[in-house]
Amino acid sequence: DVKVTQSSRYLVKRTGEKVFLECVQDMDHENMFWYRQDPGLGLRLIYFSYDVKMKEKGDIPEGYSVSREKKERFSLILESASTNQTSMYLCASSSHNTEAFFGQGTRLTVV
Amino acid sequence: EDQVTQSPEALRLQEGESSSLNCSYTVSGLRGLFWYRQDPGKGPEFLFTLYSAGEEKEKERLKATLTKKESFLHITAPKPEDSATYLCAPQSSLGAQKLVFGQGTRLTINP
Repeated sequence: DVKVTQSSRYLVKRTGEKVFLECVQDMDHENMFWYRQDPGLGLRLIYFSYDVKMKEKGDIPEGYSVSREKKERFSLILESASTNQTSMYLCASSSHNTEAFFGQGTRLTVV
Repeated sequence: EDQVTQSPEALRLQEGESSSLNCSYTVSGLRGLFWYRQDPGKGPEFLFTLYSAGEEKEKERLKATLTKKESFLHITAPKPEDSATYLCAPQSSLGAQKLVFGQGTRLTINP
């Protein structure tokens, strides 16, 4: 069974903290994605990566960075967390021209 | 710019009452259109991929169809367990392989 695993289901952080969200996939997929999901706004793409060390900005990259040092792992970094980054974060992976598989999500609360 | 609009935003049906969900899209060269189901607090789960106008895919009580500008998800004789948010995501054949999601249709099936 295909698997995308996010390191935490729930996370509470303080304003100004540096936050790391980790995502690991076991399908040898080239593409990996980070989305955030908010009520009324749907799924919005933050960053995606189509190969190791390669990344491209999505629609809302401000306040975020990413790292992909190994093919199976894609990290989302909040350099200085703010309350408006409280959200559900979803990681996904896909092979070229195929469907994406999602992790279970991380619900991040910044206080 | 790629755009996708789903309607209605929310739909409440009685068990056994068939209906359709709409996904209207504008993309530069459609590579494929994906349908997902999402339960509360979970990541989206892949349902179908459609590649060309006229194509249809079926799974249990769900059938997805595709035209050049729209996709429909038909639900026949739904059951309460079909209650979920349904998301569509067209993928452009130009440029990077990112997925842009619609805001989803929240479907509730009452017993």
